[in-house]
Amino acid sequence: SQQGEEDPQALSIQEGENATMNCSYKTSINNLQWYRQNSGRGLVHLILIRSNEREKHSGRLRVTLDTSKKSSSLLITASRAADTASYFCATVSNYGNNRLAFGKGNQVVVIP
Amino acid sequence: GAVVSQHPSRVICKSGTSVKIECRSLDFQATTMFWYRQFPKKSLMLMATSNEGSKATYEQGVEKDKFLINHASLTLSTLTVTSAHPEDSSFYICSARDSGEQYFGPGTRLTVT
Repeated sequence: SQQGEEDPQALSIQEGENATMNCSYKTSINNLQWYRQNSGRGLVHLILIRSNEREKHSGRLRVTLDTSKKSSSLLITASRAADTASYFCATVSNYGNNRLAFGKGNQVVVIP
Repeated sequence: GAVVSQHPSRVICKSGTSVKIECRSLDFQATTMFWYRQFPKKSLMLMATSNEGSKATYEQGVEKDKFLINHASLTLSTLTVTSAHPEDSSFYICSARDSGEQYFGPGTRLTVT
């Protein structure tokens, strides 16, 4: 099955800085979604970008999608300590099953 | 937004026993429910997809006799880990979908001693 795959990074930044993380995938997608997971908790949906979109904003979040490179980035601006979490991208393929395929995740630590 | 609950949130069981985890969609009818497994510091691995009233579809490598899934109603799916072993210790997350979005439960931490 296809996998969305993040670059396996752990990111540690100071509060107020921007945090950028990347995601790459392998197959043709219908959409790509970003999720946040706090330690030991479930997933919170952050943002969805469709394959015909290149950029999307939601509050302090900015997502880009480059289908030619099969990659996406998530930018969190003006980070806060509460943004400390793991961030996953997940893709929904064009091949009919409508299931989410998750990547490895990026752990972000925002230091107050 | 829609809420998905899981019960229990944590369970410790002895090797050889069976454990049932419940997943409920609280304010919507879930035509499809998904079960994921997550190892520490790893991503979510889809175990199976279940549609109400029909047999679950398991992903390659997931033993269907080991992980029994029942989706008896549009608001409830259960995952039973049968004859649990320490290697089954993991974080299990369910997800429910109505016609559009997919919503995730808070997860169940299973520890098999």
